[in-house]
Parts: sequence; C-alpha cells; structure tokens
Amino acid sequence: DTGVSQNPRHKITKRGQNVTFRCDPISEHNRLYWYRQTLGQGPEFLTYFQNEAQLEKSRLLSDRFSAERPKGSFSTLEIQRTEQGDSAMYLCASRHPGLAGWTGELFFGEGSRLTVL
Amino acid sequence: GNSVTQMEGPVTLSEEAFLTINCTYTATGYPSLFWYVQYPGEGLQLLLKATKADDKGSNKGFEATYRKETTSFHLEKGSVQVSDSAVYFCALSNTGKLIFGQGTTLQVKP
Repeated sequence: DTGVSQNPRHKITKRGQNVTFRCDPISEHNRLYWYRQTLGQGPEFLTYFQNEAQLEKSRLLSDRFSAERPKGSFSTLEIQRTEQGDSAMYLCASRHPGLAGWTGELFFGEGSRLTVL
Repeated sequence: GNSVTQMEGPVTLSEEAFLTINCTYTATGYPSLFWYVQYPGEGLQLLLKATKADDKGSNKGFEATYRKETTSFHLEKGSVQVSDSAVYFCALSNTGKLIFGQGTTLQVKP
C-alpha cells in the first residue's frame, strides 16, 4: 500500500494524558499536512510542513499541540494534557511538489480517531 | 477571511434522481475550488476541481462550474447511484493549504 498511513487508527485516553499520532506520507511527497475533523464538520487546518520545516500553524494549534517532521519523511502530532474537547479525527495529508504549481490535490490518510474520556 | 459554506445535510435521494449540493465561498484573490468526497470507512479523496472562473470540473458523472460572479461552485449529478452515498466537501485553496466546508452527507436509496 503506497498511500498515506496513519497510526494508531483509534486512541482512547483519559483526560490529562499525552497522546502521539504518526503519519507516513506518500514517498517523495514533500509537503505534509495535519487537519482535525470533528463530527459533522469539515477538516480544519492545523499545520503543514515542507520537508522538515514547519511553514504554518493554525491558531487552533494550542501550546499543548506539537508537530514534528524531523527527517522530512514521517511526522508526529503530540497532544499533551489532553482535554475532552480534543476528541476528534486527526487527518494527515501529503502532496507532491508539482513542477507547474500545485494542482490542489491532497492525498489523505484514513485518520486517527482520538477519544478523551 | 477565506471560508466555504455548504448546504446543510443530510440529502436523501432515490436512485437516478438529480443531485445538487450548493457551495459558496468567500476568498481574497482567485482561489482554486474543489470537491472532495469521503466514502464510508475511507479517507478523503479529490472528486473534481476548477482553477479559474468559468472552468467546469467533472469526474464520475459529477460536475461543478466555478462562478466568480456568484462566488459559487455547486456540485451536480444527473442520475445518482447508491454507490454515490458519501460525505461531500467543498474546498478552496489558499496559500498552499485547503479550506473546507462543513460537508454534506448524501444518502441514495435504491
């Protein structure tokens, strides 16, 4: 399978615990994105990387959230001191650099669902 | 700011019915517009796109036309099938990222 891979697919945790999600993008995709999706809503942008550089962070990404992409390949999203409001699907997407500019297509993983009790 | 608004769902149709899902946007500049689809148990995938005013995107029998004058990008299909049941998201591109609408659930009954 050469698609975007996310792990774990589902995480249940107690309030106050830390959780980490991993995303493996499609090989050679230099841009990697994190989105959050709550029930009945569309994906909300959190952050994105070009190679290992984090280029933009949304105001949704509070100090408890941190994302890394240390070698420009896989990425991790860590949430510290989880709150019930963090319960959501966390989506990862990647894209090819595109020689003639971006076509707009992002390739999404199936997501990591977080449930905070 | 940039935003996308879609019609509320769920939309329930009988097989072979005509489908329209409304989408309007607010944006600075001239964004590209997209429809993404999420089938049950699968990740989001691109359905169609249009990159400039009056362009028509099409795929799998679905169509949408980029209307700058009405800031709209409505999704249409002439005859829906049960297999089209999914959640549809309208989106625009802005500074290298996508901004999505809230999604519209389509349920097609045989």
